[in-house]
Amino acid sequence: DGGITQSPKYLFRKEGQNVTLSCEQNLNHDAMYWYRQDPGQGLRLIYYSQIVNDFQKGDIAEGYSVSREKKESFPLTVTSAQKNPTAFYLCASSMGVNEQFFGPGTRLTVL
Amino acid sequence: AQKVTQAQTEISVVEKEDVTLDCVYETRDTTYYLFWYKQPPSGELVFLIRRNSFDEQNEISGRYSWNFQKSTSSFNFTITASQVVDSAVYFCALSEARTGNQFYFGTGTSLTVIP
Repeated sequence: DGGITQSPKYLFRKEGQNVTLSCEQNLNHDAMYWYRQDPGQGLRLIYYSQIVNDFQKGDIAEGYSVSREKKESFPLTVTSAQKNPTAFYLCASSMGVNEQFFGPGTRLTVL
Repeated sequence: AQKVTQAQTEISVVEKEDVTLDCVYETRDTTYYLFWYKQPPSGELVFLIRRNSFDEQNEISGRYSWNFQKSTSSFNFTITASQVVDSAVYFCALSEARTGNQFYFGTGTSLTVIP
């Protein structure tokens, strides 16, 4: 089945640790995105990538890093510099200006 | 400035009632795209509809309908004869041609359908 997978579904991190969230798509989409969602709030864009080996910062990129070495993969690293990382993280992909398709999300909790 | 405004934070209706979710957008582009997504309790966003700025025709899909009015910069979503399974958070989003793939999401409307 075509779609977007994110892993893990739940992730716990100790303060000061870096963690990497996985996002894979087999839709052959060029563009991929990472969003953060806090309780009761909308989606805020962290990073996006329109082609392989290229990515741009979104509205809240501080404390996060990404890579886009393969078309189908767009991992997000939450670094220790991110002061309040507990949130729900959603990955999406799209082709051109068409709708974005979303993965199931990763819920990150800092202990 | 917020590009997409969903003024209704939470709405509760009794099953079988109709409900309209409001979405107001702001853009200077003449070419843009509007979207609605549903986020059930599981968390994954489900795509519902996409409209482009040149197509103001209203659309109906089963119990769902959308009213796009450029004159008021609104793209409202109506659920007819609501069901408990409609309970979710609904997001409206805008994409502008000049910024390519970047989406601007509203803050969402949480809909609860009471049986």
